[in-house]
Amino acid sequence: QVQLVQSGAEVKKPGASVKVSCKASGYTFTSYGISWVRQAPGQGLEWMGWISAYNGNTNYAQKLQGRVTMTTDTSTSTAYMELRSLRSDDTAVYYCASVLGSSSSYDYWGQGTLVTVSS
Amino acid sequence: EIVLTQSPATLSLSPGERATLSCRASQSVSSYLAWYQQKPGQAPRLLIYDASNRATGIPARFSGSGSGTDFTLTISSLEPEDFAVYYCQQRSNWPRDITFGQGTRLEIK
Repeated sequence: QVQLVQSGAEVKKPGASVKVSCKASGYTFTSYGISWVRQAPGQGLEWMGWISAYNGNTNYAQKLQGRVTMTTDTSTSTAYMELRSLRSDDTAVYYCASVLGSSSSYDYWGQGTLVTVSS
Repeated sequence: EIVLTQSPATLSLSPGERATLSCRASQSVSSYLAWYQQKPGQAPRLLIYDASNRATGIPARFSGSGSGTDFTLTISSLEPEDFAVYYCQQRSNWPRDITFGQGTRLEIK
């Protein structure tokens, strides 16, 4: 069965960087893309960007351009999201998600990774 | 950026009642709109895609309608497990510039 399993919670200081992983299984990793979505405490969902696991092409949300980098490691079927120059308002649960079925919408999600930015 | 505005922010209803949730887009998204349900501590769950298609395993009491800028999610008869937060999401320029609505909280009256 399809699974997206994310790395564990992180606590970072302002100005630091964080790298969250998302390990995929149960499907052909390079045939689909991975998106990242975050959710600040008590807030809604915010799309961060997308990466093609086929060729590494990326699209990032404009507000995060220059601070976020998404990569994949096809040898381990793992996607990564790195966010730099962390601020307190980057505190959020970070999800990876994928469109695998015919729905063309996010039908599979990781369990989420809490990133806390605090001095 | 296409802005999605959901209403109401909170909807208080009783089990067995009908729920109607709205999502309005700042410009046309054609039928490229999805609805998700999220419960506390869980990832979102896809309910409806392309405005009116139920995702796999979603009960028939959930239905979606609309196109262009105005969309509706209807739950015909609320079950206790339906009380959650619901988000709409557009993908008109996939795979870039995806946006979500701010959510509607469906609470037990």
